[in-house]
Amino acid sequence: EAGVAQSPRYKIIEKRQSVAFWCNPISGHATLYWYQQILGQGPKLLIQFQNNGVVDDSQLPKDRFSAERLKGVDSTLKIQPAKLEDSAVYLCASSFLSGSPHEQYFGPGTRLTVT
Amino acid sequence: QKEVEQNSGPLSVPEGAIASLNCTYSDRGSQSFFWYRQYSGKSPELIMSIYSNGDKEDGRFTAQLNKASQYVSLLIRDSQPSDSATYLCAPQADRGSTLGRLYFGRGTQLTVWP
Repeated sequence: EAGVAQSPRYKIIEKRQSVAFWCNPISGHATLYWYQQILGQGPKLLIQFQNNGVVDDSQLPKDRFSAERLKGVDSTLKIQPAKLEDSAVYLCASSFLSGSPHEQYFGPGTRLTVT
Repeated sequence: QKEVEQNSGPLSVPEGAIASLNCTYSDRGSQSFFWYRQYSGKSPELIMSIYSNGDKEDGRFTAQLNKASQYVSLLIRDSQPSDSATYLCAPQADRGSTLGRLYFGRGTQLTVWP
């Protein structure tokens, strides 16, 4: 079974530029999550999708971050404009169903450096 | 704000020893708990899940849960250098608008020396 796919793996941009990350979840997984992991910290949830609907985006900085999952499969997370503090690893995860308990599986992540 | 506290590291143990990783959580409603292993520069990898009070064993790993004390732990027996990684504790929200969300601690960095 193929895992969660993410691209790009690395991205370096200057502040105020825009960037987009792509995620394709495990086949059949209805729920998709985007996390931000800053160096030395645990992952923090940014947004959770159930199929193509948003379940939880309470921690998404909506003035600069946006995400979509138009066909209920792959998803895109965008940052515009980027700030220095956005430097982090952006992790995508998926689970078969929403709710608890449901195991989440992570993709390899995208390491973003904002200069 | 749901808090997850893990024992401060780094934790260093010799090869063959038992490594003990501890975690306390603030959300009394959490019913599901996960342990992830994260190697440096890699993404978190799910290694254990536990839902009921008591012990759950899987190979060299044993997860322990005490919901009354809001405490979960992970024991690694016969530790190997390949176990050297950061271990993340993640309770799962069990109700409300955050149902299914994982709350992560900062992690405990484990080093197993030969």
